[in-house]
Amino acid sequence: GQQVMQIPQYQHVQEGEDFTTYCNSSTTLSNIQWYKQRPGGHPVFLIQLVKSGEVKKQKRLTFQFGEAKKNSSLHITATQTTDVGTYFCAGSGYNKLIFGAGTRLAVHP
Amino acid sequence: DAGVIQSPRHEVTEMGQEVTLRCKPISGHNSLFWYRQTMMRGLELLIYFNNNVPIDDSGMPEDRFSAKMPNASFSTLKIQPSEPRDSAVYFCASTSYSMGGNEQFFGPGTRLTVL
Repeated sequence: GQQVMQIPQYQHVQEGEDFTTYCNSSTTLSNIQWYKQRPGGHPVFLIQLVKSGEVKKQKRLTFQFGEAKKNSSLHITATQTTDVGTYFCAGSGYNKLIFGAGTRLAVHP
Repeated sequence: DAGVIQSPRHEVTEMGQEVTLRCKPISGHNSLFWYRQTMMRGLELLIYFNNNVPIDDSGMPEDRFSAKMPNASFSTLKIQPSEPRDSAVYFCASTSYSMGGNEQFFGPGTRLTVL
């Protein structure tokens, strides 16, 4: 079945450093979504990418969708303590989302 | 908008007991999803409904799990009998269905502990 792999599993950074998480699908995706889950919270939608090669920015966050629509990345510039949490990618297939395992980000002040 | 509502927020029960988790989706949303989250297995889709009809229940672990959606504003996930390995956070999410996919709105979750 369709799988979505996400790396790294964990990332510890000093405040101000950059952070990137990568997502790879075993199949071509119609779109990909990114979610953030704060510790003790629930996943919250960040963005959806639909077009091949698409790049979207939200303040310090940059999202990319690969040309083949099988991979994606989230890059955070100059991390802040408010960025702490787990970032999930989710590939859309057969009208449901397949979530990656998530990357847990810890930011040390 | 109150968002997706789940109850209870926490449930502690003993092995063998029946557990019922409840979800009220966002008004107007016609797709509802039940997920289970654990450290070991991450976020797993258990079942989802479109227009109150179960579409894919391939993620339901076994016959002890069942889910219903009697109307557009209410769904339940039942575990009978419960086992310690069912301990997890159960999320309900809803969205407006479209072929392109739409963002899912998650409820706060129910943290289930089976002793």
